[in-house]
Amino acid sequence: GAGVSQTPSNKVTEKGKYVELRCDPISGHTALYWYRQSLGQGPEFLIYFQGTGAADDSGLPNDRFFAVRPEGSVSTLKIQRTERGDSAVYLCASSLSGGKTEAFFGQGTRLTVV
Amino acid sequence: AQTVTQSQPEMSVQEAETVTLSCTYDTSENNYYLFWYKQPPSRQMILVIRQEAYKQQNATENRFSVNFQKAAKSFSLKISDSQLGDTAMYFCAFMKRNTGTASKLTFGTGTRLQVTL
Repeated sequence: GAGVSQTPSNKVTEKGKYVELRCDPISGHTALYWYRQSLGQGPEFLIYFQGTGAADDSGLPNDRFFAVRPEGSVSTLKIQRTERGDSAVYLCASSLSGGKTEAFFGQGTRLTVV
Repeated sequence: AQTVTQSQPEMSVQEAETVTLSCTYDTSENNYYLFWYKQPPSRQMILVIRQEAYKQQNATENRFSVNFQKAAKSFSLKISDSQLGDTAMYFCAFMKRNTGTASKLTFGTGTRLQVTL
């Protein structure tokens, strides 16, 4: 596609449920990033993929959060046993490669846990 | 660890005027990049301008320019001839320069800019 696509745009879930957030990066981009943006804050890094492997997952807050990118393209962020504190906008970005090249962001998924 | 501080939660400017948004950062790294991103209500982060720390010359992109003071760890954004479409949240961000691998962005808390008629 022309840009980074994230689905769904909005997701409301009940506390304790499992959710999956999808990111479809720009075709050919090998690097993919997930960030979380809480209300009134800047985005915070969660995890970075280079190809299929997670090169840096130091930002994942706990073991309820997991992300995969099995074929080196689409990525899914998975959250188990959701809590109200998980409510935020989850942003995905991709770039041609790491480091010097510009990262392009999607429009995010707004997750609300009720 | 790096930190990025934006001390102006909100700013307002009249159309066609000039406004400066402030950003300071703290790092022990010597090689890094600094960015300003714009986030309109659509939530999509859009790159406005990028500065490489080893370059002394301040970056410019059309109406947008930066004042990069490496010793002071300051990186302000100047928007000239402000337009209504500039209304958005603006985030300052830091990225360590890695050779061959990606590096995460560290963002500030943002400045909400309102351009008025």
